[in-house]
Amino acid sequence: AQSVTQLDSHVSVSEGTPVLLRCNYSSSYSPSLFWYVQHPNKGLQLLLKYTSAATLVKGINGFEAEFKKSETSFHLTKPSAHMSDAAEYFCVVSGRSNYQLIWGAGTKLIIKP
Amino acid sequence: GAGVSQTPSNKVTEKGKYVELRCDPISGHTALYWYRQSLGQGPEFLIYFQGTGAADDSGLPNDRFFAVRPEGSVSTLKIQRTERGDSAVYLCASSLGGAGGYNEQFFGPGTRLTVL
Repeated sequence: AQSVTQLDSHVSVSEGTPVLLRCNYSSSYSPSLFWYVQHPNKGLQLLLKYTSAATLVKGINGFEAEFKKSETSFHLTKPSAHMSDAAEYFCVVSGRSNYQLIWGAGTKLIIKP
Repeated sequence: GAGVSQTPSNKVTEKGKYVELRCDPISGHTALYWYRQSLGQGPEFLIYFQGTGAADDSGLPNDRFFAVRPEGSVSTLKIQRTERGDSAVYLCASSLGGAGGYNEQFFGPGTRLTVL
């Protein structure tokens, strides 16, 4: 079965410093992996996706993630945090059916001025 | 263009009552999904529609939950005899396609259901 573990429930960084949100997954086959962002009172938005092409994936708003099969990880990074990045971030793995998404519990990113 | 919309944004009901939650997908999207998000957790898959039919309802927790999409566009999630444990945010998403390759799912803002 597929599962996702987000290793931190909250991450706090200062504006202008790097962001690292950690995600480990478990899958019995080659998965598709995603990061979604949820701003308060707004719908979930896809940040980036990995679907078995390049292992380093670039997304919107300067975020990127690297698929590491040996470590079963898909950590999300950004070189320099901005106040507008404050939100909840979800790591997601596709189920055996591509439409069925399995979600981590989320990581709340807090940006300090 | 318009995104996925959901109504109402908030619904408060009493234990045992019946509720309906509505989802308007993006025009032209054939696939529609319902998820439930409990406090402090990620969304949990409930049901997937391709056109008018429920292609996968394996995530519905029990027979009190039912969803329809009679014309292949708007969908209604129906919950009978609500229980306090049904309190959550119910999310709807739509995509151009469904199975057979990944199609990005676009999410609505959700309906927050509170059962007293």
